[in-house]
Amino acid sequence: GAGVSQSPSNKVTEKGKDVELRCDPISGHTALYWYRQSLGQGLEFLIYFQGNSAPDKSGLPSDRFSAERTGGSVSTLTIQRTQQEDSAVYLCASSFSSGTGTDTQYFGPGTRLTVL
Amino acid sequence: KQEVTQIPAALSVPEGENLVLNCSFTDSAIYNLQWFRQDPGKGLTSLLLIQSSQREQTSGRLNASLDKSSGRSTLYIAASQPGDSATYLCAVRGGYQKVTFGTGTKLQVIP
Repeated sequence: GAGVSQSPSNKVTEKGKDVELRCDPISGHTALYWYRQSLGQGLEFLIYFQGNSAPDKSGLPSDRFSAERTGGSVSTLTIQRTQQEDSAVYLCASSFSSGTGTDTQYFGPGTRLTVL
Repeated sequence: KQEVTQIPAALSVPEGENLVLNCSFTDSAIYNLQWFRQDPGKGLTSLLLIQSSQREQTSGRLNASLDKSSGRSTLYIAASQPGDSATYLCAVRGGYQKVTFGTGTKLQVIP
């Protein structure tokens, strides 16, 4: 079946503009995760959804970042008033469930965001 | 705050060697630990997932162990091949399903 897809694959934007990143999880996966990987840095956990709910938003770097998930499927990560330090690869992952400790995360190819 | 460290940061070995990658974490209250590989310019590929109640998992030439009480996991790769060259990441899942990734080990297998 289809894997996790993300769009766009690359996004170049000017400082101060808003951007929206999209993630389509594997069909049937109830859990969805967003991560950020900055150049030369490790993966940074941003937010997790179980269904449409995000129980903990403290991983989002600032109030310019927001995420939503509708219909238990597609998720969007929105960055308002982008800054150069937002430049990174944004990765999305999904898993069948998140409550038992047995679920494996499957990652999308990522969106490379460049803020000029 | 969970911190995950991987040693070594980089490793270069000749083809055919067996090797061990290390992952350590500071908070033993985890649900599971997962090993991934990341190829340049690509996403992550899951290799093995070990539940907190398990001690090890095996898949082909890969074997991952978990010692939760000491906060350690190892990934053993047998008979390494050039195609194994990649960055290997471990990740632990803790409270609120928060996942913390390690710093990664960049492996190069020389033909």
